[in-house]
Amino acid sequence: DQQVKQNSPSLSVQEGRISILNCDYTNSMFDYFLWYKKYPAEGPTFLISISSIKDKNEDGRFTVFLNKSAKHLSLHIVPSQPGDSAVYFCAATGSGNTGKLIFGQGTTLQVKP
Amino acid sequence: DGGITQSPKYLFRKEGQNVTLSCEQNLNHDAMYWYRQDPGQGLRLIYYSQIVNDFQKGDIAEGYSVSREKKESFPLTVTSAQKNPTAFYLCASSRQGGSYNEQFFGPGTRLTVL
Repeated sequence: DQQVKQNSPSLSVQEGRISILNCDYTNSMFDYFLWYKKYPAEGPTFLISISSIKDKNEDGRFTVFLNKSAKHLSLHIVPSQPGDSAVYFCAATGSGNTGKLIFGQGTTLQVKP
Repeated sequence: DGGITQSPKYLFRKEGQNVTLSCEQNLNHDAMYWYRQDPGQGLRLIYYSQIVNDFQKGDIAEGYSVSREKKESFPLTVTSAQKNPTAFYLCASSRQGGSYNEQFFGPGTRLTVL
């Protein structure tokens, strides 16, 4: 049972344009969400997070939007840069999860110069 | 520099052999985690530990074992009972396992069973 889903395995955008990565979840007990970025053969690095008490969190070029009623979140990167090309994982947790993160399958973003 | 180290980066093992993957952190984090990544899949939790001398099974613990004798170390043993051990293994840590703290990841170990 996939509790966190990233339905788009890959996404390709032009440099300077907006990248939108999507994530859906099924467990209504999740109340904290994170995005990680991963380059090949490296560990993921934390990008941005959002608590369920908010619907938007912004950090520089990265903004995460949360729609609780739809159980959907998205990561916007604007403007996109070639160095953003990586795999992006969405993760979720809740107060009953003792810190465990549930990860989506990942979306590979390619930003073309 | 503070961080998480995993060794070795690449590991080859013959079928039927046990192998231990190292994970060390000097971030003074209480909680540590082991994940496995397979192509086209997200990270799946193998084992986690919130404090020294305590650990719990994750979603795919069968064929694996861990120990947590020191706060900074959380080695993972892949036993011969693990039916499909070839994968990329990631270790992570966080300040407290029960709080909303981001997990920091090591660089990973790629295990290949020959």
